[in-house]
Amino acid sequence: DAGITQSPRHKVTETGTPVTLRCHQTENHRYMYWYRQDPGHGLRLIHYSYGVKDTDKGEVSDGYSVSRSKTEDFLLTLESATSSQTSVYFCAIPGGAVGYTFGSGTRLTVV
Amino acid sequence: AQKVTQAQTEISVVEKEDVTLDCVYETRDTTYYLFWYKQPPSGELVFLIRRNSFDEQNEISGRYSWNFQKSTSSFNFTITASQVVDSAVYFCALSEAPNTGNQFYFGTGTSLTVIP
Repeated sequence: DAGITQSPRHKVTETGTPVTLRCHQTENHRYMYWYRQDPGHGLRLIHYSYGVKDTDKGEVSDGYSVSRSKTEDFLLTLESATSSQTSVYFCAIPGGAVGYTFGSGTRLTVV
Repeated sequence: AQKVTQAQTEISVVEKEDVTLDCVYETRDTTYYLFWYKQPPSGELVFLIRRNSFDEQNEISGRYSWNFQKSTSSFNFTITASQVVDSAVYFCALSEAPNTGNQFYFGTGTSLTVIP
């Protein structure tokens, strides 16, 4: 009954290749977020969306783009992956009393 | 600017010991919300508690308790009689309006290891 799912769960890719991560929600929520988690940095906001085709940058947006053509899907694209983008990526939607509802995360390794 | 500081990077305790995880925050807003999340080794992020800025009552939930002090901008988390299952990374977070699109600001996390 997860209201938010991410795919893929794990991915290994080569430097310079494009990568797209998908976040899918069934809650019909207006807001969606992409965060990356790195040791020593916690979770940092990459991009967020406040509606279909409405997106904005977070604090670590360089090297990333996003798209939201449907309410339920929020895509994060690394146009040309670099080793510094090796990370765990979390998608989130507002979760009422629990703050955020998070996806299960995508572990991305760029080799 | 908003900021959350978790100065303790790693903590190790022996099972049944009590442990306190510190969280200090900065915000200019008078209305804000504070959260704690747990990330067990499996990787998912699990909600533990939410507290708004107008409610300074301490909260207890089983072995977990939270101490919110606006005077020191702190929202500390104590685990009493720790267990191995408490081993995880714990994140403190701040948001001004969590349900209206305001982003969350996370601390860098505290990795807790409970030794049997």
